[in-house]
Amino acid sequence: GENVEQHPSTLSVQEGDSAVIKCTYSDSASNYFPWYKQELGKRPQLIIDIRSNVGEKKDQRIAVTLNKTAKHFSLHITETQPEDSAVYFCAAVQGYQKVTFGIGTKLQVIP
Amino acid sequence: SAVISQKPSRDICQRGTSLTIQCQVDSQVTMMFWYRQQPGQSLTLIATANQGSEATYESGFVIDKFPISRPNLTFSTLTVSNMSPEDSSIYLCSVGPGLRGTDTQYFGPGTRLTVL
Repeated sequence: GENVEQHPSTLSVQEGDSAVIKCTYSDSASNYFPWYKQELGKRPQLIIDIRSNVGEKKDQRIAVTLNKTAKHFSLHITETQPEDSAVYFCAAVQGYQKVTFGIGTKLQVIP
Repeated sequence: SAVISQKPSRDICQRGTSLTIQCQVDSQVTMMFWYRQQPGQSLTLIATANQGSEATYESGFVIDKFPISRPNLTFSTLTVSNMSPEDSSIYLCSVGPGLRGTDTQYFGPGTRLTVL
């Protein structure tokens, strides 16, 4: 089955700096890669996603890149703000099948 | 996005008892999923609940411990049976990928279970 590795597990940045979270996947059949943000005590919320036929996608301060050859994808958050503090999960999906999640990255943005 | 509700939102139970968690979706979906999230951990898939067929369980999870019902396309239940403190966790249902032709998976608010 699919295996998703995510790092770092924790990340502290100063407000205004950028944050980068990296994930790798094992199954080349995976073709959809969502990123979820989970604030304390709340459900995971989709923040951005990318399909395997796209190399990069951006939404305001958030961007995701995908390297299919190397089987890795990354989340980039620019101009970080305290409200970006949360746990971020990457995931890999094959078609309309179950989602395999990474272990999560706890991001702390220091004011 | 889909509207997903879960009941109860939280509960404190005695060991040896069982708790049934309900998940309701505002539209018909083929696949519903049940996850467990232990404190500070990632989401672990328990099983996939398909309407009209038996649930499919992941390795490490069995039907006797986590029986699932899926009576229609908008509703599912997960029962945590014969509970022990190790079952203390957040249980989340989700729908998708495939909902409304999208790849996105949506999560319910979760049920926080504490077993004493």
